[in-house]
Amino acid sequence: DQQVKQNSPSLSVQEGRISILNCDYTNSMFDYFLWYKKYPAEGPTFLISISSIKDKNEDGRFTVFLNKSAKHLSLHIVPSQPGDSAVYFCAARAGSARQLTFGSGTQLTVLP
Amino acid sequence: DAGVIQSPRHEVTEMGQEVTLRCKPISGHNSLFWYRQTMMRGLELLIYFNNNVPIDDSGMPEDRFSAKMPNASFSTLKIQPSEPRDSAVYFCASSVRRPPNETQYFGPGTRLLVL
Repeated sequence: DQQVKQNSPSLSVQEGRISILNCDYTNSMFDYFLWYKKYPAEGPTFLISISSIKDKNEDGRFTVFLNKSAKHLSLHIVPSQPGDSAVYFCAARAGSARQLTFGSGTQLTVLP
Repeated sequence: DAGVIQSPRHEVTEMGQEVTLRCKPISGHNSLFWYRQTMMRGLELLIYFNNNVPIDDSGMPEDRFSAKMPNASFSTLKIQPSEPRDSAVYFCASSVRRPPNETQYFGPGTRLLVL
C-alpha cells in the first residue's frame, strides 16, 4: 500500500515556464513533507520542506504548497531551467518517527 | 564540507558471495539510515541508527542482510550470501535529530549487481 504517491512518472516543460510536480498521501499522521531532487548516478539532494502547520513554503524559484484536507502537496518551479531536469521525490514523515516514506518519483525534463 | 561518503560506488559480484557496503556520515550527524532503491519498490528504508544504536531494522529484507555502526563515523551493510534479487542501488543518509524539521542528507549510493 503506497502511502505517498506521485502519479506522474514524467513531466516535460519548456524552459522559462512553470513546472508543477504533484504528490498525494494517504496517511493522516504525516506532518512533515520534503522534496528531494536526484540526478543520475547521484544520491537524492534535499530541496525544500514544509511542516503541516503551514500551507506554503518558498525558497527562491521553488515553492511547495500543502493542502491538508486533500492530502496533497505540490512543488512549483518558476522559472524552470534545463538544469532542473532530474527525478523529483516527495517524502513524508509522521510525528516523531524518523523514517521517511518516499513516493516513486517524477522525471522532470526542462526543454531548452 | 564533505557530504555522506559511500564506498564502493559500484560492485559486481557473483551469487553467493559476501558483499560489504560502507558509509561515512556527515561529521556531527548522530543518525544514519540505509535505503535501497529498486525499480519495483522505489526507495525503501532498510535500517536506521541513532547514536550508533540500531533503532528500527524492520525494513531489512531477511537474515542475509546485516548492518553495523561501530562508531559515529562509520557504518556497514553486509549481504551474505548475496542473490541476484539484491541487485539495486543502496543509499546511506545521515541527519541530526532535530524534530520536527529534520532533514536527511544522502550519499551518492552504491550500485550493486549480483550475477
